[in-house]
Amino acid sequence: QVQLQESGPGLVKPSETLSLSCNVSGGSITSYSWSWIRQPPGRGLEWIGYIYYNGSPNYNPSLKSRVSMSVDTSKNQFSLKLNSVSAADTAVYYCARSPRYCSGGSSCRPLHFDSWGPGTLVTVSS
Amino acid sequence: DIQMTQSPSSLSASVGDRVTITCRASQVISNDVAWYQQKPGKVPKLLIYAASTLQSGAPSRFGGSGSGTDFTLTISSLQPEDVATYYCQKYYSAPLTFGGGTKVEIK
Repeated sequence: QVQLQESGPGLVKPSETLSLSCNVSGGSITSYSWSWIRQPPGRGLEWIGYIYYNGSPNYNPSLKSRVSMSVDTSKNQFSLKLNSVSAADTAVYYCARSPRYCSGGSSCRPLHFDSWGPGTLVTVSS
Repeated sequence: DIQMTQSPSSLSASVGDRVTITCRASQVISNDVAWYQQKPGKVPKLLIYAASTLQSGAPSRFGGSGSGTDFTLTISSLQPEDVATYYCQKYYSAPLTFGGGTKVEIK
């Protein structure tokens, strides 16, 4: 059974870059799409972006100018970078897995989120 | 972008009641909708995908329906352990948007 585990600093200063990794164990990172999702304290869920191991990432337009994601197949992990953070980026950050649906050729898209990491709280504060 | 409008934002019902939560998409999204349950302080858990398919291990009192723009999550007989916030999510196209959530409490 796949397990996901987020890791990274719990405190980031305003204007700096938030960096998180998600380690995937119990399954290959090459068979699914992988997303980052965040939840500010007391609020709802916000999808940040998804990536496939050999495809271009897809980011939430509201964050696109500040986000980058990457995959390291040798470590079976994927990563998130969010730059120029502010207090509004304080949230629990989750990594999650999605099965993929491919319809003809190389057109594939992620489906529902069937496995989640436990989440990591990142606080933006000086 | 396609928006997901979820209602109500909160509800209170008695144990054994039938509970219905709805999600409306701003455009047709086939049946590409999932529902998640998030208990206080816990990780969201997949309940339903493809609008009506029960995730393995989810209790059978949870059911989903709908296609196109209107979707429903039903709890056939509310139990104390169902106290949680429920989210719909669409995956028809990016961005993979969540609804605003419905907080379910016991009366």
